[in-house]
Order: sequence, then C-alpha cells, then structure tokens
Amino acid sequence: NAGVTQTPKFQVLKTGQSMTLQCAQDMNHNSMYWYRQDPGMGLRLIYYSASEGTTDKGEVPNGYNVSRLNKREFSLRLESAAPSQTSVYFCASSEVDTGNEQFFGPGTRLTVL
Amino acid sequence: AQTVTQSQPEMSVQEAETVTLSCTYDTSENNYYLFWYKQPPSRQMILVIRQEAYKQQNATENRFSVNFQKAAKSFSLKISDSQLGDTAMYFCAFIGTYKYIFGTGTRLKVLA
Repeated sequence: NAGVTQTPKFQVLKTGQSMTLQCAQDMNHNSMYWYRQDPGMGLRLIYYSASEGTTDKGEVPNGYNVSRLNKREFSLRLESAAPSQTSVYFCASSEVDTGNEQFFGPGTRLTVL
Repeated sequence: AQTVTQSQPEMSVQEAETVTLSCTYDTSENNYYLFWYKQPPSRQMILVIRQEAYKQQNATENRFSVNFQKAAKSFSLKISDSQLGDTAMYFCAFIGTYKYIFGTGTRLKVLA
C-alpha cells in the first residue's frame, strides 16, 4: 500500500500562473481533505470531500477549486496563484469505520513569486 | 464555532524526563474524536494517539498517554521517558461531523 500520494513535492510559480496539485489514496477511504500549513497557524482546511461526488468548503477556500475525480483521487487547483498562497499543502484521507484517523500525504511545498 | 487551542508554542524537555502538552477545545457536539498528531522534521504527519469522547478511560499508547477531561474540554498529552526522536511539532485535533479542526501546534525539543 502506498497510502496517500501527492504530486509534485515542490513547485515554484509566478503570480497569476495556474496549477493543479494531485492526490491519490489506495485505502478505499470515502473522505478526502486538502489542508494548507503556514507557520504559527497549524493546518487549515481548504476543501473536503465526504464521499465520491461531493465537495465542501473548509475554513480557507478562496482562490482554490477541487475535483473529486473518483473515490481514489482528489485534486486541488489554483487558477491564478498569489504570493499569499505560498504554503505547504497536505492531502489526507480518512474513514469513519477505522476510527476517523487521518492519513496524510507527504505534502507539497509551493512558492508563489 | 468549534475551536482547538494549544497555548504552548514551544517546549523543551530533557531526555528520559516526562513532559505534558496541553490542548483545550470548544464544541457543542456530544460525539467526537480527539487526536494528537506528530510532525517530525520530515514533514510527515503521524498519528500519536486517539480518544473517543464517549469513552471515559484515557487512551494510552506505549510512552504516550492522554488526560481527557470532557467537562473541562481538555485533552493533554503526556510523553514519558522522552527520547530524542520525540522532537517534533505536535498538533491536537478534533473531529465532529466530517470536519477536522487542528490546533496551532506545540514545537517540542528533547534535549540530550
């Protein structure tokens, strides 16, 4: 089992460029999440998907869009990157039946110049 | 609104000593889970311990234990016999209905 995988691991963008962060999990989990981590602010939820076909906004959704492509994959898109989106992004998945533990990907460090 | 507060941004402890990290939360829900996650310098988030709110018994995992006070909405983590490998950021987290809320973290340094 690979668990939760994310691509890319690092990315540098210029202001105004777009990109998609990819996430996939092989644990057959229903719920998937995107977080951003900034110094002193912990992890903040951007979007989540409680099950295939559904997505909902989290705490900081502005400037982002998501797609739950299928049960395995949940992508995060930045349409027009801004320096304020410089952060480390984590994807996670979980399942109610396994005690709600979240399994995290390795993270993507994104820098917007 | 649901919140999770970790009031200790940084802590240090001598190797082999015991340290307690504090966490308080606020929720109107009655059924929920609480977690402590560890993030070492590798950046990978690792589950340390989990507590189900309906269980009165405090969870333990080897050298890690919690003091869960439901009425006070407090969920502290005790690390016994601290090891150098325990050096990491520690995040307290809460889940009610689908959404996870994380605290801002406590950076723990274990000193040799």
